[in-house]
Amino acid sequence: GENVEQHPSTLSVQEGDSAVIKCTYSDSASNYFPWYKQELGKGPQLIIDIRSNVGEKKDQRIAVTLNKTAKHFSLHITETQPEDSAVYFCAASKNYGQNFVFGPGTRLSVLP
Amino acid sequence: NAGVTQTPKFQVLKTGQSMTLQCAQDMNHNSMYWYRQDPGMGLRLIYYSASEGTTDKGEVPNGYNVSRLNKREFSLRLESAAPSQTSVYFCASSFGGPLHFGNGTRLTVT
Repeated sequence: GENVEQHPSTLSVQEGDSAVIKCTYSDSASNYFPWYKQELGKGPQLIIDIRSNVGEKKDQRIAVTLNKTAKHFSLHITETQPEDSAVYFCAASKNYGQNFVFGPGTRLSVLP
Repeated sequence: NAGVTQTPKFQVLKTGQSMTLQCAQDMNHNSMYWYRQDPGMGLRLIYYSASEGTTDKGEVPNGYNVSRLNKREFSLRLESAAPSQTSVYFCASSFGGPLHFGNGTRLTVT
């Protein structure tokens, strides 16, 4: 079955710097890749997603890139702010939203 | 618009006790899911329901049962709780595409 790895497990950056989190997946049939942000005591919330027919997607300070050949995708956050501090999860899915497999998470700390 | 609502928020059980975690969504989604979250392991799927009247096992179903009561509600039951079931449980729903999560139930089994 699908296996999703995520690196790094923890990441500290200075406010205003960029942060990059990388995920790799094993099943070439996966075609949908969402990213979730989880704040303390809350459930994960979708922040951006990408389908396999697209190489990059941006939403203000957040972007996701996908390399289907290498089977990896990355989350990029620019101009980080303290409120970006959270745990971030990547996920992979086949059939656009069935049977999600999640990465283990990255704890991002943005230092003021 | 409440989204996905889970009750209770916290629960402590003794080994062998039973309980039901409740989940309701008001987004008219067809699919509903139960995940557990453990440190360093991400979210693992326990059971899901692709539509009203159907349920299927996920990655870690042992020790759990589910009921899709109607389109809105999907409950998770622990018949005989074990310390290994200490975790944070999340319910989610979707209409295909991304999952919408509740805020979780933190369960401790002593």
